Amino acid sequence: SQTIHQWPATLVQPVGSPLSLECTVEGTSNPNLYWYRQAAGRGLQLLFYSVGIGQISSEVPQNLSASRPQDRQFILSSKKLLLSDSGFYLCAWSPVSGRKQPQHFGDGTRLSIL
Amino acid sequence: QKEVEQNSGPLSVPEGAIASLNCTYSDRGSQSFFWYRQYSGKSPELIMSIYSNGDKEDGRFTAQLNKASQYVSLLIRDSQPSDSATYLCAVNSKNSGNTPLVFGKGTRLSVIA
Repeated sequence: SQTIHQWPATLVQPVGSPLSLECTVEGTSNPNLYWYRQAAGRGLQLLFYSVGIGQISSEVPQNLSASRPQDRQFILSSKKLLLSDSGFYLCAWSPVSGRKQPQHFGDGTRLSIL
Repeated sequence: QKEVEQNSGPLSVPEGAIASLNCTYSDRGSQSFFWYRQYSGKSPELIMSIYSNGDKEDGRFTAQLNKASQYVSLLIRDSQPSDSATYLCAVNSKNSGNTPLVFGKGTRLSVIA
């Protein structure tokens, strides 16, 4: 069966510091991968998605970036965090033939910026 | 722009009652519809998928789809306090290929014991 791992579970960072969140998927090949952010009490905001190694689509212009160095690894980064980057960050995956397939979420990373 | 609309709630129902959650979508070409449950502080969990018009039942959950009206709903029978959560509707359009689902903002359900 497929599993998705996200870490860390919680993170407290000062304004202006860098960020690296990692997500890996096991039990499948060439998954579609997604990064979402959810502000407190708000809906899901799609940040990035990837359909293959090195292929990244950005949905929202901001100070975040994403990379996919390996087939089942997706990384969210920032060089300098802003207060507005606080939130719940969720990684998700779906099978490669995604048209009728749902997305499955990791447990998320709760990021607080001080 | 593809949109998915949900009433934010909160929807309060007594224990044992039927909870009815509704969702409308703007893309007439949409083909796949999903309901996720999200407990406070947790990640969304898939609970139902529906692809054809009509009803689909799974335990206490029933998903209903009406493509002509661009409307999908989730019924929860015999609601329990443990059903208290935010329910997210998600839609995948016909022409989206591998592009992401479009999520509604969710409806918060509160089941009162």
